[in-house]
Amino acid sequence: AQSVTQLDSHVSVSEGTPVLLRCNYSSSYSPSLFWYVQHPNKGLQLLLKYTSAATLVKGINGFEAEFKKSETSFHLTKPSAHMSDAAEYFCVSRSYGKLTFGQGTILTVHP
Amino acid sequence: KAGVTQTPRYLIKTRGQQVTLSCSPISGHRSVSWYQQTPGQGLQFLFEYFSETQRNKGNFPGRFSGRQFSNSRSEMNVSTLELGDSALYLCASSPRLGLETQYFGPGTRLLVL
Repeated sequence: AQSVTQLDSHVSVSEGTPVLLRCNYSSSYSPSLFWYVQHPNKGLQLLLKYTSAATLVKGINGFEAEFKKSETSFHLTKPSAHMSDAAEYFCVSRSYGKLTFGQGTILTVHP
Repeated sequence: KAGVTQTPRYLIKTRGQQVTLSCSPISGHRSVSWYQQTPGQGLQFLFEYFSETQRNKGNFPGRFSGRQFSNSRSEMNVSTLELGDSALYLCASSPRLGLETQYFGPGTRLLVL
């Protein structure tokens, strides 16, 4: 069975500082991995996806993630946080047609 | 191109009632999936439909059911509502089955009293 663990339920950063949201996955083989963002009262928006091509994946809004098989990790990063990045972020694994979601990380950005 | 639309956006029901939620996928998308989001359980996969057939199913009781029409629009039904069914129900579509990228609608927020 696959599982996704987001290591931080809350992350707080100052505007202009780097963002790191951590995700570890568990699967019998390399799954497809995604990061989605959810703004309040909105649906989920795809930030980026990894599907066994390049291990460093660039997404929208300056986000990127690196797939590390040896560490079973897929951490999301952004060099400089913006106020509009404040939202909840979900790391997601897809295997055998089913999506498995992490518990989410709420990102707060302080001015 | 219009995104995924869900109706209604908000719904209040009482225990024991049933509810039907609707999802219209992005034009040309044939796969529709449903998810339940609650503060306690997070996001959980309900089921996926493609070509009017359920292709994948999550671990939910039989009170949760769905269907897909020939125009790819989908409905999900919850019978004999329980307080714990209060949640945000999200629908997502993708062009075909198994395609990784899914596009989500804004959700229907259901409150069961």
